[in-house]
Formats: sequence, C-alpha cells, structure tokens
Amino acid sequence: DSGVTQTPKHLITATGQRVTLRCSPRSGDLSVYWYQQSLDQGLQFLIQYYNGEERAKGNILERFSAQQFPDLHSELNLSSLELGDSALYFCASSVGAGVNTEAFFGQGTRLTVV
Amino acid sequence: GDSVTQMEGPVTLSEEAFLTINCTYTATGYPSLFWYVQYPGEGLQLLLKATKADDKGSNKGFEATYRKETTSFHLEKGSVQVSDSAVYFCALRDSSYKLIFGSGTRLLVRP
Repeated sequence: DSGVTQTPKHLITATGQRVTLRCSPRSGDLSVYWYQQSLDQGLQFLIQYYNGEERAKGNILERFSAQQFPDLHSELNLSSLELGDSALYFCASSVGAGVNTEAFFGQGTRLTVV
Repeated sequence: GDSVTQMEGPVTLSEEAFLTINCTYTATGYPSLFWYVQYPGEGLQLLLKATKADDKGSNKGFEATYRKETTSFHLEKGSVQVSDSAVYFCALRDSSYKLIFGSGTRLLVRP
C-alpha cells in the first residue's frame, strides 16, 4: 500500500458526461500528479500541483481540469467525455517537487466511457 | 522536450535467465532517473533510482547505472523469477518538475 488513495476504483459513464476523480496523497506529501494510462499511449503526464498551485502541465486536454485543495487532496474533472477517454487514471504524490524526489502511485481509477 | 525511450516488449525469458531492459533518455540539465514496476491490476511502484552520473540504483536484485555519456539507464537482473513478470517503466525528472515516463516494457518469465 503506497498510502495514495484514489476513488472510485471503477467508473462507467456515457459519452458527453462529466466525471470527477479524487486523490488523497500520502500524509505529508505536498505534490500531486495526474497521469493517464491507455493501451496505445502508455503513461501520459497530465498535470502536477504543489501545495495548491499548478506546477507543471503536460498534454492535458481543455476538456480536463484539475485542482488541489487546501487539505492537499486533488480532483481531476473530465467533461464532454469521448470513447477515447477510456483509460486508467493514476494519481501520484511526493513530499516535494525537486529533481530527486520519488513519487508514489495510487491504484488508479479505471474509466470506461460507453 | 524531455523524453524517455524504452525497448519494445514483450520480453519473454525463462526462469533464472539474465534480464536487460534498455532505456535511453533526452533531457536538458541533469535529470534524476527512475525505474518503476507495475504488476497486473496494480499501480506503479518505485523499483530503484539514481540521481547523478555513475550512480547505481539497486533493489530486489535489480540494478541500473546512470550513464551520462550514453544517456542511458538500462535495467538488469542476474536471475529472473516468475514473480518478476510485470511491466517496467523507465522515467526521468528534471528541473521542469515533470516526471516523464517511457512507454513501458512488459516482461514475461516462464517457469
């Protein structure tokens, strides 16, 4: 158990809908990362927050947004869902955001868009 | 931009065989390098890391050496077990804060 908690574990929804994925980082970790893992795209970096502020952005679609709250948990919002958004979404956390910092991953949320 | 390239999988080996999974990177500055492992149905777990040139990371019999001259961080294990079957990801982090992963290499170890 990495200490990173993601909910829900599974989510099935229809095209055009909006969903929210939640991540609770390890106790004491200030930095949260979101990744999308699909069969043909590997592990794609979406976005990173550090202590409530956006720190780095990857190939995150405009239909997707995220935030980190004062209690350090984070939410990833996915809207106007398309079939191609079906994937595993991972959250990771780390104590800081320095170059030597290792990240710890949650178990992921499997999103299926039908 | 920064990137990580891993050898294509799957890699299929017999138990007790020697393992090498190649990883090369492109980065500005001086990144830290990581290997993560993902077992079926689970999240990624950190396997080992190296933070500067010539550092060797090691864990559970796995090793990787940070080679700046060849921009490589190849993963090796002298004798694989069936329980090592998983997907292995090479990753880097530099001063841009991003943690960038390779595409992953699936390892299948047969008894």
